[in-house]
Amino acid sequence: DGGITQSPKYLFRKEGQNVTLSCEQNLNHDAMYWYRQDPGQGLRLIYYSQIVNDFQKGDIAEGYSVSREKKESFPLTVTSAQKNPTAFYLCASSNTRGGSPLHFGNGTRLTVT
Amino acid sequence: GDSVTQMEGPVTLSEEAFLTINCTYTATGYPSLFWYVQYPGEGLQLLLKATKADDKGSNKGFEATYRKETTSFHLEKGSVQVSDSAVYFCALSDLTNAGKSTFGDGTTLTVKP
Repeated sequence: DGGITQSPKYLFRKEGQNVTLSCEQNLNHDAMYWYRQDPGQGLRLIYYSQIVNDFQKGDIAEGYSVSREKKESFPLTVTSAQKNPTAFYLCASSNTRGGSPLHFGNGTRLTVT
Repeated sequence: GDSVTQMEGPVTLSEEAFLTINCTYTATGYPSLFWYVQYPGEGLQLLLKATKADDKGSNKGFEATYRKETTSFHLEKGSVQVSDSAVYFCALSDLTNAGKSTFGDGTTLTVKP
């Protein structure tokens, strides 16, 4: 079955360390997205990519970085510059036709202490 | 810019009660509208969508109609079940905004037996 795989499900890091969250999709979608979700809040867009080797900042890109070297993969690095990194991170993909919905992975819960 | 406003929660209902979750939007173009559902510890799943005015999206007993005149996309279900307990997100995507999705803050629904 096609889908999006995020790993790991839970991640713990010490403050000051960079950490990379994995996101892989086999849906053949061109577009991929990273969102951050905090308790009781909606989703905020971190980065998105509509084609391989190209990506754009979303609304809260500071302290994060991404790469898109392959169509299937869109890893997110949470750097030590991110002031409040503890959150639930969701990866999504879609095709770029109008009206296409997002397909989400099951998320990675990152805790930084 | 685009925005989505959802009815504030949480919402608590008894089984078999009627559900309405209000959603209104602002958009510069002609957006597609979506409802997503999120169960605890998981990513979001598409519940239903509508891509043009007067379209009705429906799935699993849930319905929503794209009302351009009132810029609304209210979610309804005639008889909720305990298994419908989840967080519901209204969202839009707009090709004039690079196809990015904008989400409401989510409404938590709890259905009691």
